[in-house]
Amino acid sequence: SAVISQKPSRDICQRGTSLTIQCQVDSQVTMMFWYRQQPGQSLTLIATANQGSEATYESGFVIDKFPISRPNLTFSTLTVSNMSPEDSSIYLCSSTGTGGTDTQYFGPGTRLTVL
Amino acid sequence: RKEVEQDPGPFNVPEGATVAFNCTYSNSASQSFFWYRQDCRKEPKLLMSVYSSGNEDGRFTAQLNRASQYISLLIRDSKLSDSATYLCVVRGAGGFKTIFGAGTRLFVKA
Repeated sequence: SAVISQKPSRDICQRGTSLTIQCQVDSQVTMMFWYRQQPGQSLTLIATANQGSEATYESGFVIDKFPISRPNLTFSTLTVSNMSPEDSSIYLCSSTGTGGTDTQYFGPGTRLTVL
Repeated sequence: RKEVEQDPGPFNVPEGATVAFNCTYSNSASQSFFWYRQDCRKEPKLLMSVYSSGNEDGRFTAQLNRASQYISLLIRDSKLSDSATYLCVVRGAGGFKTIFGAGTRLFVKA
């Protein structure tokens, strides 16, 4: 299993600013994922973050807007850059944990509101 | 066509009712299948994996039909605490790309 924490849990930001979200896993994991969930919608994968290499972004998401760091096997950050109100969403960090399990575990999410 | 499609819902049922959720997926090479539950303002959590042979966990039964690319979840004797959004989740070939359905909201009423 994996216990995942995120911070901040929520933030209200002005447009044009940037916010960095931190994700910490309680065990060493190969892959970490960043999702976005807009109100009333399901989860959309932003990118997959592997330690020691650049993140792999999904269609519609670019590194300049959502830079990701993965400095070690337990930690990752997602930055939402040059924010606009359309970036208001819940951002969720996820990992499949250890032991080769298929189960995907999620952090509690960061609720971002951009004014 | 969406990669994973679910009943749009919401479902409003009385306590004790049996409710069924349906889900279809488009990629025949998909490898793993799950149902997740997401409570309001909370993160998704695994409810159960879905196997070709079907599997049951208490009041919950999941079925997979690979030929029809169809997944179902049956909840028997529903409780107030079952009220949540149920997400159909499919993991593609290669093991790591996970697609979430839009979810079906369930309201169980007393």
